[in-house]
Amino acid sequence: QKEVEQDPGPLSVPEGAIVSLNCTYSNSAFQYFMWYRQYSRKGPELLMYTYSSGNKEDGRFTAQVDKSSKYISLFIRDSQPSDSATYLCAMSAWAGGSEKLVFGKGMKLTVNP
Amino acid sequence: SQTIHQWPATLVQPVGSPLSLECTVEGTSNPNLYWYRQAAGRGLQLLFYSVGIGQISSEVPQNLSASRPQDRQFILSSKKLLLSDSGFYLCAWSHQQGMNTEAFFGQGTRLTVV
Repeated sequence: QKEVEQDPGPLSVPEGAIVSLNCTYSNSAFQYFMWYRQYSRKGPELLMYTYSSGNKEDGRFTAQVDKSSKYISLFIRDSQPSDSATYLCAMSAWAGGSEKLVFGKGMKLTVNP
Repeated sequence: SQTIHQWPATLVQPVGSPLSLECTVEGTSNPNLYWYRQAAGRGLQLLFYSVGIGQISSEVPQNLSASRPQDRQFILSSKKLLLSDSGFYLCAWSHQQGMNTEAFFGQGTRLTVV
């Protein structure tokens, strides 16, 4: 079992739809959870991060973490064509004197006008 | 504010030629530095990471190597490129232990080995 699993999609939705992106993980040591957005031919950019279980909102984006189920989600409300990108989940833990940062494979999202 | 520079943006190299990709970080000191490779459908593969000058950890055995000659400079090299080395290479940095651990990425280098 991989430490972080993310459905690679692709996912295509109409403009205005609510998008749900998900990742599961197996390592209970992960304590810090992130979502990155990557436009084509660009480096990933940090979109949201959270330490704790529960929801965190930032504009049209909501990050949700359920540590008991080892499941994280990113919701995008009122999706726009400019949201079309690949979204990567990432999580990290500090163990054995070093940081462990693991990424999901990324989900390619297309929002159609 | 911190910035990360990575160059070149694109590179086409023949098989068997050497490689040198450079990454520099500004606005922070003693960062963790990373080299990733991203291939279609395979996500981000960590190649090397460094917690300090001259300290390099390799995650994947291959014909690539990394060096950190200065605190904020990270170099990815190869003596002889293989076709399988083609991909999108990303440099990233993060704060050291005890601080936020998110990684910040450069804009990447698209390497095509022909």
